[in-house]
Amino acid sequence: DARVTQTPRDKVTEMGQEVTMRCQPILGHNTVFWYRQTMMQGLELLAYFRNRAPLDDSGMPKDRFSAEMPDATLATLKIQPSEPRDSAVYFCASGSASGEQYFGPGTRLTVT
Amino acid sequence: AQKVTQAQTEISVVEKEDVTLDCVYETRDTTYYLFWYKQPPSGELVFLIRRNSFDEQNEISGRYSWNFQKSTSSFNFTITASQVVDSAVYFCALSRVGTSYGKLTFGQGTILTVHP
Repeated sequence: DARVTQTPRDKVTEMGQEVTMRCQPILGHNTVFWYRQTMMQGLELLAYFRNRAPLDDSGMPKDRFSAEMPDATLATLKIQPSEPRDSAVYFCASGSASGEQYFGPGTRLTVT
Repeated sequence: AQKVTQAQTEISVVEKEDVTLDCVYETRDTTYYLFWYKQPPSGELVFLIRRNSFDEQNEISGRYSWNFQKSTSSFNFTITASQVVDSAVYFCALSRVGTSYGKLTFGQGTILTVHP
């Protein structure tokens, strides 16, 4: 049963600290998405990659966020420095060429 | 621009009742995908269905059924004989087809509570 995995599941950190979230997409899927969920904004796309190449990161604050996909089995989302307004659940999703999209369990980030 | 509207913020039903969750979308594309996801209290987003805009046939999967009407830009979801385990937030979403395919535009979600 192929699944998207994300680590860590929960992260509490202090303002100003660096946060790195990791995602392992489903083997064979060619697209990886990062979404953020907050009560105020709902689910919003931050960035996505196809065949490891970044396609769109317009939803991401460029000054503090960065997303990379160093290989086909790992995608990372980094926040440096973190701020309290970054507190949210961050989801990674893995997409197949047929258009289906499966989500990981999410990383719940709390920045104090 | 694409937009998805789920007008029902919260719905409360008693077990075994049927319930329909509404979804209306806006897009200028002639081809697109529509999705429904379930987010139970555990927080995961569970894929339920993907529908291609070419295919207007209704679909049934167990107690779940989906009614896609392109003429009214709606993709409604019905749960028959609801159960307590159906309690969750349900999201409708839309994505493009083609080079920009994949990125989802979500509705705000409908919170469904099924009481025993």
